[in-house]
Amino acid sequence: EVMMTQSPATLSVSPGEIATLSCRASQSVSSDFAWYQQKPGQAPRLLIYGASTRAVGIPARFSGSGSGTEFTLTISSLQSEDFAVYYCQQYRYWPPITFGQGTRLEIK
Amino acid sequence: EVQLVESGGGLVQPGGSLRLSCAASGFTFSSYWMSWVRQAPGKGLEWMAIIKHDGSQKYYVDSVKGRFTISRDNAKNSLYLQMSSLAAEDTAVYYCARGRLGSYSFDYWGQGTLVTVSS
Repeated sequence: EVMMTQSPATLSVSPGEIATLSCRASQSVSSDFAWYQQKPGQAPRLLIYGASTRAVGIPARFSGSGSGTEFTLTISSLQSEDFAVYYCQQYRYWPPITFGQGTRLEIK
Repeated sequence: EVQLVESGGGLVQPGGSLRLSCAASGFTFSSYWMSWVRQAPGKGLEWMAIIKHDGSQKYYVDSVKGRFTISRDNAKNSLYLQMSSLAAEDTAVYYCARGRLGSYSFDYWGQGTLVTVSS
């Protein structure tokens, strides 16, 4: 099983600033990697797939980078609606498809 | 518009069974792999099971093998999860999710249905 480890667990950032979230895979997953956003009481929403491709309707301020074992989600110029929990996911080696434990992005 | 609507959740006693359904609309259901993903209260996402577009392949996380069965009816545009031998640890919101074509990321999710296992 590929373990996904996200850091930090909680990130405090002011609106308008840049947020950088990280995810590490226990073995290389190439670019078979995705990021999701989840707000309270809502289902997750796909942000990034293929490590760096934005999903349909996702604003350009969200960008993904990395390959292999190290991945980064960068959110530039944070908006109020961006404060949420973010999950990473690998789909290279499955079953099981695995998620990280989440990073909570909160307002500073 | 793509829509996934889960139903069938509720309160069940330990050792009991439950069948979840997911009604799909707005896309060619028979072309997509589909999954179930759950989220225990206050916890992260846990993938449960996946089924190929034609139902010919099914895979599960180890913790539910032999207890949960994923299935689909393409004529009814519906996905199912039959759950048995339920335990308190199975208490969660269960989401159905569509696999993006050409990948196993999930591009559309239902709103979820809550399963509570308690006596």
